[in-house]
Amino acid sequence: DAGVIQSPRHEVTEMGQEVTLRCKPISGHDYLFWYRQTMMRGLELLIYFNNNVPIDDSGMPEDRFSAKMPNASFSTLKIQPSEPRDSAVYFCASSSPARQLLNTEAFFGQGTRLTVV
Amino acid sequence: AQKVTQAQTEISVVEKEDVTLDCVYETRDTTYYLFWYKQPPSGELVFLIRRNSFDEQNEISGRYSWNFQKSTSSFNFTITASQVVDSAVYFCALSEATSYGKLTFGQGTILTVHP
Repeated sequence: DAGVIQSPRHEVTEMGQEVTLRCKPISGHDYLFWYRQTMMRGLELLIYFNNNVPIDDSGMPEDRFSAKMPNASFSTLKIQPSEPRDSAVYFCASSSPARQLLNTEAFFGQGTRLTVV
Repeated sequence: AQKVTQAQTEISVVEKEDVTLDCVYETRDTTYYLFWYKQPPSGELVFLIRRNSFDEQNEISGRYSWNFQKSTSSFNFTITASQVVDSAVYFCALSEATSYGKLTFGQGTILTVHP
């Protein structure tokens, strides 16, 4: 398996523009997570899905942020409009349920480094 | 609420020294899971180990070892005979029982191993 795939790896955009980050989870994993990493706040969970359904979005910072998972193999995180303080590394991760015995830890993608100028 | 504390912000050692990274956690759950992840300079997050709350056996994997003590809510990580390639940020994390991916991370410890 290719692992969790995120695109783009780097994104530079101007303040006010819409940004869309993409994630393809590992096949067979039915949990998908979006994390954000900043110097100030470290790694924090933004939202997660189970079987394509959003379960907890309490970490989403503002209404400018939205996430979707239209099918089991694709998710997006959108920021509209973007602001300089959104600059961070955004990670996507996937896992299988804890009741399963094999390979159930969360596997992370390479991350998308977002810079909003 | 869950909380993970890594009190050591940065550690600097010389190659071949042993180094221990501390992790203390807080949770009200009786069943939970503890993790260590490594983030090398390239930026990806690499899974190192998972431990469940019912398994307090220490674990050794090559030069890596982990000490889980439920009585002190600690899950410490030791690298024996450190190498330059061990230089990275190391994160301790805690998850609830239902999903390994809903992680609460510590702030991370930056480990620098000098030749």
